[in-house]
Amino acid sequence: NAGVTQTPKFQVLKTGQSMTLQCAQDMNHEYMSWYRQDPGMGLRLIHYSVGAGITDQGEVPNGYNVSRSTTEDFPLRLLSAAPSQTSVYFCASNPSGSPGELFFGEGSRLTVL
Amino acid sequence: ILNVEQSPQSLHVQEGDSTNFTCSFPSSNFYALHWYRWETAKSPEALFVMTLNGDEKKKGRISATLNTKEGYSYLYIKGSQPEDSATYLCAFMDNNAGNMLTFGGGTRLMVKP
Repeated sequence: NAGVTQTPKFQVLKTGQSMTLQCAQDMNHEYMSWYRQDPGMGLRLIHYSVGAGITDQGEVPNGYNVSRSTTEDFPLRLLSAAPSQTSVYFCASNPSGSPGELFFGEGSRLTVL
Repeated sequence: ILNVEQSPQSLHVQEGDSTNFTCSFPSSNFYALHWYRWETAKSPEALFVMTLNGDEKKKGRISATLNTKEGYSYLYIKGSQPEDSATYLCAFMDNNAGNMLTFGGGTRLMVKP
């Protein structure tokens, strides 16, 4: 059982480049979310989705785009990378209808030069 | 933005010491309080999901209590071991925010042998 799979694990970008972080889950969870982790700031919610075709903004959405065409996949797009987006990104999923725990991917470390 | 705070930010203890940390959160619109354990270079893993005022949960040497009326939760570790070294995150689930979580900044625990 793979759980939540994130790719790539590491990426270096130049300012202005775009890229997509992939996230897939095989637990049939309706809820999926993207967080970024910065030193001393815990996990901050970027975007989330409550089901296929539905997405919404979290606490720090600027500079990021998401889509949810299937239950399994929830990619995060950086439209024009900036050094402020250097961070570790985590994708997570959880089941709907209950206060269930989040299941996290292994994280993607992104550096923007 | 909801205010979820954890204290202390970091803690150094000797092997065998017992320790505890605090998570404070809004006392209104409570739905659930999560605790996660996050080891370096790994993804966060759920310890407890707590939903009822007065809840006490235990997993091995780790336990947690919950007071929703005053907006705090304690995490206790009895007889700390070096393998307990990790960052411990709490996360608040608001009754009006679906399944989305707001994380505290975490408490980083280091246990010296």
